[in-house]
Amino acid sequence: DQQVKQNSPSLSVQEGRISILNCDYTNSMFDYFLWYKKYPAEGPTFLISISSIKDKNEDGRFTVFLNKSAKHLSLHIVPSQPGDSAVYFCAASATFNDRGSTLGRLYFGRGTQLTVWP
Amino acid sequence: ETGVTQTPRHLVMGMTNKKSLKCEQHLGHNAMYWYKQSAKKPLELMFVYSLEERVENNSVPSRFSPECPNSSHLFLHLHTLQPEDSALYLCASSQFFRNQPQHFGDGTRLSIL
Repeated sequence: DQQVKQNSPSLSVQEGRISILNCDYTNSMFDYFLWYKKYPAEGPTFLISISSIKDKNEDGRFTVFLNKSAKHLSLHIVPSQPGDSAVYFCAASATFNDRGSTLGRLYFGRGTQLTVWP
Repeated sequence: ETGVTQTPRHLVMGMTNKKSLKCEQHLGHNAMYWYKQSAKKPLELMFVYSLEERVENNSVPSRFSPECPNSSHLFLHLHTLQPEDSALYLCASSQFFRNQPQHFGDGTRLSIL
Protein backbone atom coordinates (compact mmCIF):
# COMPACT_ATOMS: atom_id res chain seq x y z
CA ASP A 1 0.00 0.00 0.00
CA GLN A 2 1.36 3.38 -0.95
CA GLN A 3 1.56 5.88 1.86
CA VAL A 4 2.53 8.84 -0.30
CA LYS A 5 0.54 9.54 -3.44
CA GLN A 6 1.00 11.91 -6.32
CA ASN A 7 -2.17 11.51 -8.33
CA SER A 8 -1.16 13.66 -11.30
CA PRO A 9 1.47 11.94 -13.43
CA SER A 10 2.02 15.08 -15.49
CA LEU A 11 1.52 18.85 -15.45
CA SER A 12 2.04 21.34 -18.25
CA VAL A 13 2.45 25.06 -17.48
CA GLN A 14 3.38 28.12 -19.49
CA GLU A 15 6.58 29.95 -18.62
CA GLY A 16 5.99 32.71 -16.07
CA ARG A 17 2.88 31.11 -14.63
CA ILE A 18 2.51 29.24 -11.35
CA SER A 19 3.09 25.49 -11.17
CA ILE A 20 1.27 23.66 -8.38
CA LEU A 21 2.26 20.08 -7.65
CA ASN A 22 0.19 18.09 -5.20
CA CYS A 23 0.86 15.23 -2.84
CA ASP A 24 -1.32 13.28 -0.40
CA TYR A 25 -0.27 10.96 2.40
CA THR A 26 -2.04 8.46 4.58
CA ASN A 27 0.26 7.95 7.58
CA SER A 28 -0.56 10.41 10.38
CA MET A 29 2.85 9.67 11.95
CA PHE A 30 4.68 11.47 9.13
CA ASP A 31 6.29 14.61 10.50
CA TYR A 32 8.79 15.64 7.84
CA PHE A 33 8.07 16.20 4.16
CA LEU A 34 10.37 16.83 1.23
CA TRP A 35 10.27 17.61 -2.45
CA TYR A 36 12.89 16.33 -4.87
CA LYS A 37 13.46 17.20 -8.51
CA LYS A 38 14.84 14.69 -10.98
CA TYR A 39 16.22 15.27 -14.46
CA PRO A 40 16.69 12.33 -16.86
CA ALA A 41 19.88 10.33 -16.23
CA GLU A 42 20.44 12.07 -12.88
CA GLY A 43 19.57 11.21 -9.30
CA PRO A 44 16.88 13.10 -7.36
CA THR A 45 17.99 16.50 -6.13
CA PHE A 46 16.68 17.81 -2.82
CA LEU A 47 14.58 20.93 -3.36
CA ILE A 48 12.75 21.98 -0.22
CA SER A 49 11.36 20.47 2.97
CA ILE A 50 8.87 21.23 5.72
CA SER A 51 8.43 20.01 9.26
CA SER A 52 4.97 19.19 10.58
CA ILE A 53 5.20 22.05 13.07
CA LYS A 54 4.94 24.48 10.16
CA ASP A 55 2.35 24.96 7.45
CA LYS A 56 4.51 26.85 4.97
CA ASN A 57 8.15 27.01 3.94
CA GLU A 58 9.53 29.26 1.25
CA ASP A 59 12.82 29.25 -0.64
CA GLY A 60 13.04 31.66 -3.54
CA ARG A 61 10.59 30.65 -6.24
CA PHE A 62 9.61 27.48 -4.36
CA THR A 63 7.03 27.31 -1.58
CA VAL A 64 5.75 24.18 0.11
CA PHE A 65 2.40 24.21 1.91
CA LEU A 66 1.34 21.57 4.43
CA ASN A 67 -2.27 20.89 5.43
CA LYS A 68 -2.03 18.30 8.21
CA SER A 69 -5.77 17.91 8.69
CA ALA A 70 -6.18 17.03 5.02
CA LYS A 71 -2.89 15.08 4.91
CA HIS A 72 -1.97 17.10 1.87
CA LEU A 73 1.03 19.08 0.76
CA SER A 74 1.75 21.09 -2.32
CA LEU A 75 4.72 22.66 -4.04
CA HIS A 76 4.26 26.05 -5.71
CA ILE A 77 6.78 27.29 -8.25
CA VAL A 78 6.43 30.96 -9.16
CA PRO A 79 7.31 32.02 -11.78
CA SER A 80 7.82 28.76 -13.64
CA GLN A 81 10.81 28.53 -15.96
CA PRO A 82 11.62 26.05 -18.76
CA GLY A 83 14.56 24.78 -16.68
CA ASP A 84 12.05 23.63 -14.06
CA SER A 85 10.87 20.90 -16.44
CA ALA A 86 11.63 17.67 -14.57
CA VAL A 87 9.99 14.94 -12.52
CA TYR A 88 9.07 16.10 -9.02
CA PHE A 89 8.89 13.58 -6.18
CA CYS A 90 7.16 14.10 -2.88
CA ALA A 91 8.58 12.21 0.11
CA ALA A 92 7.69 11.86 3.77
CA SER A 93 9.18 10.39 6.91
CA ALA A 94 8.17 9.72 10.50
CA THR A 95 10.60 10.12 13.35
CA PHE A 96 8.97 7.28 15.25
CA ASN A 97 6.54 4.49 14.57
CA ASP A 98 5.04 1.87 16.87
CA ARG A 99 8.28 -0.11 16.75
CA GLY A 100 10.52 2.79 17.68
CA SER A 101 12.60 5.01 15.47
CA THR A 102 12.08 4.69 11.73
CA LEU A 103 15.64 5.84 11.27
CA GLY A 104 14.78 8.52 8.76
CA ARG A 105 13.15 6.19 6.25
CA LEU A 106 11.67 8.14 3.34
CA TYR A 107 8.48 7.13 1.57
CA PHE A 108 8.22 8.43 -1.97
CA GLY A 109 5.37 9.17 -4.34
CA ARG A 110 5.53 8.05 -7.97
CA GLY A 111 6.39 11.54 -9.20
CA THR A 112 4.83 14.21 -11.42
CA GLN A 113 6.39 15.18 -14.73
CA LEU A 114 6.34 18.99 -14.96
CA THR A 115 6.74 20.57 -18.40
CA VAL A 116 7.16 24.33 -18.61
CA TRP A 117 6.70 25.64 -22.14
CA PRO A 118 7.77 29.06 -23.46
CA GLU B 1 27.10 19.29 -8.28
CA THR B 2 26.74 16.03 -6.43
CA GLY B 3 28.47 14.99 -3.23
CA VAL B 4 27.39 11.39 -3.80
CA THR B 5 29.16 9.46 -6.57
CA GLN B 6 28.00 6.11 -7.90
CA THR B 7 29.90 3.74 -10.19
CA PRO B 8 29.34 2.31 -12.67
CA ARG B 9 26.58 4.40 -14.22
CA HIS B 10 25.43 1.50 -16.39
CA LEU B 11 25.83 -2.25 -15.90
CA VAL B 12 24.68 -5.17 -18.00
CA MET B 13 25.15 -8.60 -16.50
CA GLY B 14 23.99 -12.17 -16.93
CA MET B 15 22.03 -13.99 -14.25
CA THR B 16 25.05 -16.04 -13.19
CA ASN B 17 27.48 -13.12 -12.91
CA LYS B 18 28.76 -11.45 -9.74
CA LYS B 19 29.23 -7.71 -9.74
CA SER B 20 29.33 -4.85 -7.26
CA LEU B 21 27.92 -1.34 -7.23
CA LYS B 22 29.92 1.35 -5.49
CA CYS B 23 28.83 4.55 -3.76
CA GLU B 24 31.00 7.24 -2.23
CA GLN B 25 29.83 10.34 -0.39
CA HIS B 26 31.88 13.48 0.22
CA LEU B 27 29.38 15.28 2.44
CA GLY B 28 30.57 14.14 5.85
CA HIS B 29 27.32 12.27 6.44
CA ASN B 30 27.00 9.35 8.84
CA ALA B 31 24.15 7.43 7.21
CA MET B 32 23.94 5.81 3.78
CA TYR B 33 21.08 4.17 1.91
CA TRP B 34 20.40 1.94 -1.09
CA TYR B 35 17.19 2.47 -3.07
CA LYS B 36 15.71 0.66 -6.03
CA GLN B 37 13.61 2.38 -8.68
CA SER B 38 11.75 0.11 -11.09
CA ALA B 39 9.73 1.35 -14.02
CA LYS B 40 6.38 2.84 -13.02
CA LYS B 41 7.09 2.31 -9.31
CA PRO B 42 8.09 4.69 -6.53
CA LEU B 43 11.53 4.57 -5.00
CA GLU B 44 11.88 1.56 -2.70
CA LEU B 45 14.26 1.58 0.26
CA MET B 46 16.53 -1.47 0.34
CA PHE B 47 19.12 -0.94 3.08
CA VAL B 48 20.09 1.67 5.67
CA TYR B 49 23.50 2.01 7.27
CA SER B 50 24.10 4.31 10.22
CA LEU B 51 27.64 4.75 11.50
CA GLU B 52 28.68 1.79 9.34
CA GLU B 53 26.17 -0.54 10.98
CA ARG B 54 23.27 -1.94 9.00
CA VAL B 55 20.15 -0.80 10.75
CA GLU B 56 17.51 -1.82 8.27
CA ASN B 57 17.07 -4.51 5.66
CA ASN B 58 13.78 -3.93 3.93
CA SER B 59 12.97 -7.55 3.06
CA VAL B 60 15.50 -7.60 0.28
CA PRO B 61 16.42 -10.98 -1.28
CA SER B 62 19.78 -12.39 -0.23
CA ARG B 63 21.11 -12.11 -3.79
CA PHE B 64 21.68 -8.45 -2.84
CA SER B 65 24.41 -8.06 -0.23
CA PRO B 66 25.37 -4.63 1.08
CA GLU B 67 28.68 -3.64 2.62
CA CYS B 68 29.66 -0.42 4.39
CA PRO B 69 33.39 -0.46 5.23
CA ASN B 70 33.37 3.17 6.47
CA SER B 71 31.03 6.13 6.64
CA SER B 72 32.02 7.36 3.19
CA HIS B 73 31.66 4.17 1.17
CA LEU B 74 28.83 1.81 0.46
CA PHE B 75 28.74 -1.23 -1.80
CA LEU B 76 25.98 -3.43 -3.14
CA HIS B 77 27.21 -6.89 -4.11
CA LEU B 78 25.09 -8.67 -6.69
CA HIS B 79 24.97 -12.38 -7.50
CA THR B 80 22.59 -14.67 -9.40
CA LEU B 81 20.17 -11.83 -10.12
CA GLN B 82 16.85 -12.25 -11.89
CA PRO B 83 15.48 -10.28 -14.87
CA GLU B 84 13.04 -8.47 -12.55
CA ASP B 85 16.03 -6.99 -10.73
CA SER B 86 16.68 -4.74 -13.73
CA ALA B 87 16.20 -1.23 -12.36
CA LEU B 88 17.88 2.01 -11.39
CA TYR B 89 19.79 1.61 -8.11
CA LEU B 90 20.28 4.81 -6.17
CA CYS B 91 22.55 5.53 -3.25
CA ALA B 92 21.85 8.33 -0.80
CA SER B 93 23.46 9.77 2.30
CA SER B 94 22.36 12.02 5.15
CA GLN B 95 23.17 13.19 8.62
CA PHE B 96 21.43 10.72 10.89
CA PHE B 97 19.45 13.28 12.82
CA ARG B 98 15.81 14.17 12.75
CA ASN B 99 14.59 16.16 9.77
CA GLN B 100 17.66 16.04 7.57
CA PRO B 101 17.27 15.50 3.82
CA GLN B 102 18.92 12.64 2.01
CA HIS B 103 21.20 13.47 -0.90
CA PHE B 104 21.26 11.11 -3.86
CA GLY B 105 23.82 9.97 -6.38
CA ASP B 106 22.97 9.68 -10.08
CA GLY B 107 22.35 5.94 -9.83
CA THR B 108 23.45 2.79 -11.62
CA ARG B 109 21.19 1.56 -14.42
CA LEU B 110 21.29 -2.24 -14.10
CA SER B 111 20.11 -4.58 -16.84
CA ILE B 112 19.94 -8.33 -16.28
CA LEU B 113 20.07 -10.48 -19.40
